[in-house]
Amino acid sequence: DADVTQTPRNRITKTGKRIMLECSQTKGHDRMYWYRQDPGLGLQLIYYSFDVKDINKGEISDGYSVSRQAQAKFSLSLESAIPNQTALYFCATSESSGRAVEELFFGEGSRLTVL
Amino acid sequence: TQLLEQSPQFLSIQEGENLTVYCNSSSVFSSLQWYRQEPGEGPVLLVTVVTGGEVKKLKRLTFQFGDARKDSSLHITAAQPGDTGLYLCAPQKGYGQNFVFGPGTRLSVLP
Repeated sequence: DADVTQTPRNRITKTGKRIMLECSQTKGHDRMYWYRQDPGLGLQLIYYSFDVKDINKGEISDGYSVSRQAQAKFSLSLESAIPNQTALYFCATSESSGRAVEELFFGEGSRLTVL
Repeated sequence: TQLLEQSPQFLSIQEGENLTVYCNSSSVFSSLQWYRQEPGEGPVLLVTVVTGGEVKKLKRLTFQFGDARKDSSLHITAAQPGDTGLYLCAPQKGYGQNFVFGPGTRLSVLP
């Protein structure tokens, strides 16, 4: 089983619908992230959380919200989906080990299409 | 937001050829990571470089961090089809700051 699991892997929805993407991890990491990937734009950070009580906005948080239900679970919500939110979404984790540079561990991605 | 460029955007080569891809910015970074993403999967870390001028080798892959810590290159010797994927550079501006990902170089190695 994957260490970082995202559900659903694929979702097609309509404009205005509420959508939740879920992420769970078995790595025991305290830090979790949500990224969005669009062709030619790389990965853009939406939200990140360094522990259960910590939530921070990333580069492109407008139109999104998150919830850190437990150390192992981090969900991303689109309250009212719009077509330009069609993208590939990745959850990632890292460990705050005290080292200067951390490694990000990614899930397999959730492809969202908003019609 | 710093401008982060990767070149070339696309590269298609034959098995056995050598290639170099680049990551460039006008900003100075404290460290830089390279990730490879295969179709249908998330990115996977290849290497982290932290010192200006640093060179790291991972089998047939050679990574270099620029002396001024503004750029990096990835050289692949004798490319194989298994090297096919999207190569992403991810510099970090300062300790504890989040990584910013470049747009990537999509490499296709044909048998």
